[in-house]
Amino acid sequence: EPEVTQTPSHQVTQMGQEVILRCVPISNHLYFYWYRQILGQKVEFLVSFYNNEISEKSEIFDDQFSVERPDGSNFTLKIRSTKLEDSAMYFCASSGRTGGLEKLFFGSGTQLSVL
Amino acid sequence: AQTVTQSQPEMSVQEAETVTLSCTYDTSESNYYLFWYKQPPSRQMILVIRQEAYKQQNATENRFSVNFQKAAKSFSLKISDSQLGDTAMYFCAFTPRRAGGTSYGKLTFGQGTILTVHP
Repeated sequence: EPEVTQTPSHQVTQMGQEVILRCVPISNHLYFYWYRQILGQKVEFLVSFYNNEISEKSEIFDDQFSVERPDGSNFTLKIRSTKLEDSAMYFCASSGRTGGLEKLFFGSGTQLSVL
Repeated sequence: AQTVTQSQPEMSVQEAETVTLSCTYDTSESNYYLFWYKQPPSRQMILVIRQEAYKQQNATENRFSVNFQKAAKSFSLKISDSQLGDTAMYFCAFTPRRAGGTSYGKLTFGQGTILTVHP
């Protein structure tokens, strides 16, 4: 089965630093998403991206966050100035039609630790 | 706005037994999808089963089946013949289905139920 790939699997950064989380969605998918999960809590939607622009974003996705699809294969999430509360697992996902059914595929996540 | 509620923080079951995880949701949408995702200790999100709201027939995937009660806004997951590998956090999730829209991927998750399967 096709996979969404995320790198790195674990990122440690200092508060106030910029981080970029990288994702390679499944090649023929058109819709891309970022979710996050603070340890022990539920998974929360951050942003959806389609046709090279944000289609929806949550309240969490403030001006410190941005997304980009720089080269037609990668999909990145940038946090400009990290805060302690940004520590979480960040999941990338993409969706497309598989066997006639639309399906959402998640990557294995990037654990971000802000110190 | 949609909400998804899983009222069982933790459940346990003996290997080979059957267990049911509960989920309720609230929405004004008439057409939507419901999902159960499994998250093992690796924290990967794995789709277990999906249900389309306009289908009255309950979805089934091998040992996993759902009891979808649309009027009651209830969507429970039944795991038959539980295996040790079923030990994981299980999340119920909802997304509205809008024609041509991207909302398919915007999931609202419940708080999760930790399932432990004992040998």
